[in-house]
Amino acid sequence: QQQVKQSPQSLIVQKGGISIINCAYENTAFDYFPWYQQFPGKGPALLIAIRPDVSEKKEGRFTISFNKSAKQFSLHIMDSQPGDSATYFCAASNTGFQKLVFGTGTRLLVSP
Amino acid sequence: DVKVTQSSRYLVKRTGEKVFLECVQDMDHENMFWYRQDPGLGLRLIYFSYDVKMKEKGDIPEGYSVSREKKERFSLILESASTNQTSMYLCAITTDNTEAFFGQGTRLTVV
Repeated sequence: QQQVKQSPQSLIVQKGGISIINCAYENTAFDYFPWYQQFPGKGPALLIAIRPDVSEKKEGRFTISFNKSAKQFSLHIMDSQPGDSATYFCAASNTGFQKLVFGTGTRLLVSP
Repeated sequence: DVKVTQSSRYLVKRTGEKVFLECVQDMDHENMFWYRQDPGLGLRLIYFSYDVKMKEKGDIPEGYSVSREKKERFSLILESASTNQTSMYLCAITTDNTEAFFGQGTRLTVV
């Protein structure tokens, strides 16, 4: 069963534009929501993460928006750059178990 | 920095072979995980371990087993490789704040 649903599967954005990736979860026990970035030939690496006590977290050009009542969270990449072209995974976990459940991934291409 | 090392980047094995994928971490982390990554399916958890000689099934354990004899090493075993096990395999550890660190992945092809 897919506990974390991610969309879209792929995304093309022009340089300077805003990239938006959405995720929805089912398990209300989840209390940690990270986003991972993966470049070809590499393992995923943590990009940014949020806990449900805040509705937004911003780090540079990357922002997570979190809606607890809707059980949804999203990643916004402002001023998207070609170097942001990668696959992005949302994830969720219950920190008591430290086991991450991943979304299906979004392949982002930022065109020059 | 946390370092997670997978023994092979690419492997080609024949159907029916027994396959070992090795993962080594350089810190004293308890939690280690094996995922497989397939296009459109994301990362799916195969097995994980919270300590030496302890193992737990993930979401897709069928056809796999694991071994953790030492804290720093977590091995994934394909008892009899099949073509539907052709995939990218990723090892990960988690730290106390739940951040996961991944190895570079092993791309396994079963022919």
